[in-house]
Amino acid sequence: LAKTTQPISMDSYEGQEVNITCSHNNIATNDYITWYQQFPSQGPRFIIQGYKTKVTNEVASLFIPADRKSSTLSLPRVSLSDTAVYYCLVGGLDNAGNMLTFGGGTRLMVKP
Amino acid sequence: DADVTQTPRNRITKTGKRIMLECSQTKGHDRMYWYRQDPGLGLRLIYYSFDVKDINKGEISDGYSVSRQAQAKFSLSLESAIPNQTALYFCATSVTGERNEQFFGPGTRLTVL
Repeated sequence: LAKTTQPISMDSYEGQEVNITCSHNNIATNDYITWYQQFPSQGPRFIIQGYKTKVTNEVASLFIPADRKSSTLSLPRVSLSDTAVYYCLVGGLDNAGNMLTFGGGTRLMVKP
Repeated sequence: DADVTQTPRNRITKTGKRIMLECSQTKGHDRMYWYRQDPGLGLRLIYYSFDVKDINKGEISDGYSVSRQAQAKFSLSLESAIPNQTALYFCATSVTGERNEQFFGPGTRLTVL
């Protein structure tokens, strides 16, 4: 099962771009990479998912190198409301195994 | 997500009591999950169900049981509550085949004294 490693916390300032990297050295061929965002006392919310190269939506971008052993969530021009915990999950779309493992996440603090 | 509701939202109980947390969804999803979250930590999976007749243990199922009464309902029971089960409990749903995005309920804050 693919284990993920992320920084415990990060600080940033409003208007900056934030990049959060997740390591997943044992990623399997059928695994996808999914990122969730969680605000205090709320359930996590899906942000973005990818398999390889780059995925972009209205909220974030996800960069995945060719070897897929890591991925980077990029948040452009963060605001105070982006202060949250960000989780990287790796697993197959059948939701078995680590697709359901949230781990500790990365606590992002955005300062004015 | 308002389509996933949990009751109660808060509950204080005593050691040894039986407690049931309920989850309902109007999203029509086939898959449902129960997680617990302790302060400052990530979510840990308790049980999950891929359809009405399917129940699977998660990472921390000891001390818990579940019932999938219908596709839209998934309840979590603590047979004999203990203080270290004090936590925030989340229910989630997803649909097979659509990137398995999970939709979470608002959470139930449970305190066991």
